[in-house]
Amino acid sequence: GQQVMQIPQYQHVQEGEDFTTYCNSSTTLSNIQWYKQRPGGHPVFLIQLVKSGEVKKQKRLTFQFGEAKKNSSLHITATQTTDVGTYFCAGPRNSGYALNFGKGTSLLVTP
Amino acid sequence: EADIYQTPRYLVIGTGKKITLECSQTMGHDKMYWYQQDPGMELHLIHYSYGVNSTEKGDLSSESTVSRIRTEHFPLTLESARPSHTSQYLCASTGVFYEQYFGPGTRLTVT
Repeated sequence: GQQVMQIPQYQHVQEGEDFTTYCNSSTTLSNIQWYKQRPGGHPVFLIQLVKSGEVKKQKRLTFQFGEAKKNSSLHITATQTTDVGTYFCAGPRNSGYALNFGKGTSLLVTP
Repeated sequence: EADIYQTPRYLVIGTGKKITLECSQTMGHDKMYWYQQDPGMELHLIHYSYGVNSTEKGDLSSESTVSRIRTEHFPLTLESARPSHTSQYLCASTGVFYEQYFGPGTRLTVT
């Protein structure tokens, strides 16, 4: 099935710094989803991107879907300690409803 | 927040035992999934179902089975638990816009 690669694996920032995680697929994706998992918790859906070149914002979070629909990014402006967690991207698996998740980017924010 | 329930939340069991992890949802979702995840690591799809009496294997399915007799219920069974099964097991279902809702997980330890 389609593989979704995600980088970096870890990111440690000072509070107030920006953060970006990148997601890449070798094949065109019909959509891409982003999830956040707090330490000790379960993944929580953040957003879905469907259109080529789409950009969506949620407060300090900006999500982008590439023009070729093969890559995506999540950018957090001015990180806060509440942003700590692992961020996963996910793409459709074999055109079905199941998802292929990236390996995630673990974000640590120190005050 | 979606209503997905998993029991037990924690389980410690000896090698060779048969165990069933329960998952239920009250949203009437047709599509449900089981994932295995070590802390902070990637999610591995074990099994999924797109409706009653429909089940499919994922990437790590060889040592477990699932059933889908009722829409709301999707139990996962390990016939013979091994220490390598020690992990967190997450159940999820797909919502109206293809996003996945996750349960709180079952943390399994096999001694």
